[in-house]
Amino acid sequence: NAGVTQTPKFRVLKTGQSMTLLCAQDMNHEYMYWYRQDPGMGLRLIHYSVGEGTTAKGEVPDGYNVSRLKKQNFLLGLESAAPSQTSVYFCASSPAYEDSNQPQHFGDGTRLSIL
Amino acid sequence: AQSVSQHNHHVILSEAASLELGCNYSYGGTVNLFWYVQYPGQHLQLLLKYFSGDPLVKGIKGFEAEFIKSKFSFNLRKPSVQWSDTAEYFCAVNRVYDYKLSFGAGTTVTVRA
Repeated sequence: NAGVTQTPKFRVLKTGQSMTLLCAQDMNHEYMYWYRQDPGMGLRLIHYSVGEGTTAKGEVPDGYNVSRLKKQNFLLGLESAAPSQTSVYFCASSPAYEDSNQPQHFGDGTRLSIL
Repeated sequence: AQSVSQHNHHVILSEAASLELGCNYSYGGTVNLFWYVQYPGQHLQLLLKYFSGDPLVKGIKGFEAEFIKSKFSFNLRKPSVQWSDTAEYFCAVNRVYDYKLSFGAGTTVTVRA
């Protein structure tokens, strides 16, 4: 069972370049999330989606865009990369549940460096 | 906005020592509480969760956590750590009916053999 798969695992970009991170889940989860992890700051929510065709801003959305054209995929885009976006990016998914007590399942992360 | 505080940034222990990691949250409503672990180079994995019932919850690998509502706390414990418990531990909280999680900054635990 693959769970949550992120591609690529590593990437180095130059300032101003664009790229897209792909997240795919095979658990038929309704909800999907993108986080960034920085030292001493834990995980911070960038954007999330509660279903196919829907997206919403999280805690730190500036400089990022997302799309969820298919239920199983959640794409994170950087239109013009900046050094401040150097981070480890995690995708997660969870089932829809009335009391929101289902845990999120995480991918292995993408380590992104912006030079 | 709710916030999650983890008291220790880095804890260093010897094998067989007991571990307790503190977690406090600021939101006053009904919440779900989680502890996740991230082993070196791996993704986050769920250790345990609390959403109702017995405030003492048991998770995988011998970990347990106690929810104390009056103190807004959800501390993680393990009576005797092993070298393989070396990892980063995150406390996370969400409001009931709100699926967005707030994470603490994490505590790095290093267990010396």
